[in-house]
Amino acid sequence: GQNIDQPTEMTATEGAIVQINCTYQTSGFNGLFWYQQHAGEAPTFLSYNVLDGLEEKGRFSSFLSRSKGYSYLLLKELQMKDSASYLCASYSGGYNKLIFGAGTRLAVHP
Amino acid sequence: SAVISQKPSRDICQRGTSLTIQCQVDSQVTMMFWYRQQPGQSLTLIATANQGSEATYESGFVIDKFPISRPNLTFSTLTVSNMSPEDSSIYLCSVSVRGENQPQHFGDGTRLSIL
Repeated sequence: GQNIDQPTEMTATEGAIVQINCTYQTSGFNGLFWYQQHAGEAPTFLSYNVLDGLEEKGRFSSFLSRSKGYSYLLLKELQMKDSASYLCASYSGGYNKLIFGAGTRLAVHP
Repeated sequence: SAVISQKPSRDICQRGTSLTIQCQVDSQVTMMFWYRQQPGQSLTLIATANQGSEATYESGFVIDKFPISRPNLTFSTLTVSNMSPEDSSIYLCSVSVRGENQPQHFGDGTRLSIL
């Protein structure tokens, strides 16, 4: 089967660091994606991991452990504009089908 | 990344009618997809739009309800047929170029409300 799990909601303080976890079980794993989606807008691509380890992109980093079926998105120096839903997604069965988790709604408070 | 234009951006429709949503990309792309996002939920893949052949539908979605066209490598349409209030949702077009490290990119979506 295919399953992607992530927490439903998280809150954090402006300037802090937050880690959003994602566990997955997909057939024919071909990499893991993170998307950001602000309310009322389309998802935008943040990061892609296909090999184990940490990928850093400015304030955002993403980590993957294929043996554990686990990924996380790390957001540093949080800003109010980071309040959004963060979607974990994985290609399954080749490069055709992108399966999404339910998303984690992050609220950043002053 | 590709620029994806989706039309209409929103619509309010009567029960029993049909609406066709268009997705235009500014460059040739290998893969085009249609997703649905119901209120407060994540994205569910409806189908893969195949150029020159019938779309590949996911479980729970059928061609009679969601006919899809893809006449070339830059354009696709999704029709939501015989609409009911349960079809109220955001419909999103996405595209990708097949290959390693290629994410899908999304259009702005069509917000559909059925009365």
